[in-house]
Amino acid sequence: AQSVTQLGSHVSVSEGALVLLRCNYSSSVPPYLFWYVQYPNQGLQLLLKYTTGATLVKGINGFEAEFKKSETSFHLTKPSAHMSDAAEYFCAVSDLNRDDKIIFGKGTRLHILP
Amino acid sequence: NAGVTQTPKFQVLKTGQSMTLQCAQDMNHNSMYWYRQDPGMGLRLIYYSASEGTTDKGEVPNGYNVSRLNKREFSLRLESAAPSQTSVYFCASSEESRDRGYTEAFFGQGTRLTVV
Repeated sequence: AQSVTQLGSHVSVSEGALVLLRCNYSSSVPPYLFWYVQYPNQGLQLLLKYTTGATLVKGINGFEAEFKKSETSFHLTKPSAHMSDAAEYFCAVSDLNRDDKIIFGKGTRLHILP
Repeated sequence: NAGVTQTPKFQVLKTGQSMTLQCAQDMNHNSMYWYRQDPGMGLRLIYYSASEGTTDKGEVPNGYNVSRLNKREFSLRLESAAPSQTSVYFCASSEESRDRGYTEAFFGQGTRLTVV
């Protein structure tokens, strides 16, 4: 079965600095990959997704992620952090060829330092 | 456009009480999910329904039952609530079909459940 590992339960960056949130997945076939964001007391909102095609995916709020099959990774980046980016971020994987379930990582809480 | 609607938003139960969390989606999706979210644990899949009339256990199904009443509705029932079931519960739906295309999961706003 597929699985997702997010490195770092908490990440702190200074406002204006690069944001890098790491995600590695396990899947025996090409996966579908997602990043979601959750603001306090809210549901999850999709940031971006990779299904097929271009491996560099751009999402909302200036975020992007690159699918690297050789590294089984789908790291999330943003060139310049903003205070409004403070939230919890979840990486998720789904495998249409197997059981179709969407499996989430444990999440990374992003803190933005002024 | 309502998307995924969960009720109730908040609930406090006594140990041993039962309740049903309701979820409905208006996007004509085949797949629906129930997750629970606990601090440091991320989202854990409780049950999953790939289509009307089918349900499958996820990672943490013990203590829960589900019903896929029709294509729109997927309910989660706690028969005898326990303090360990204190959590935030999310319902989600998605379309996962090679014929109809693939969408991400759309989430409801969550139900905050406390069992005392």
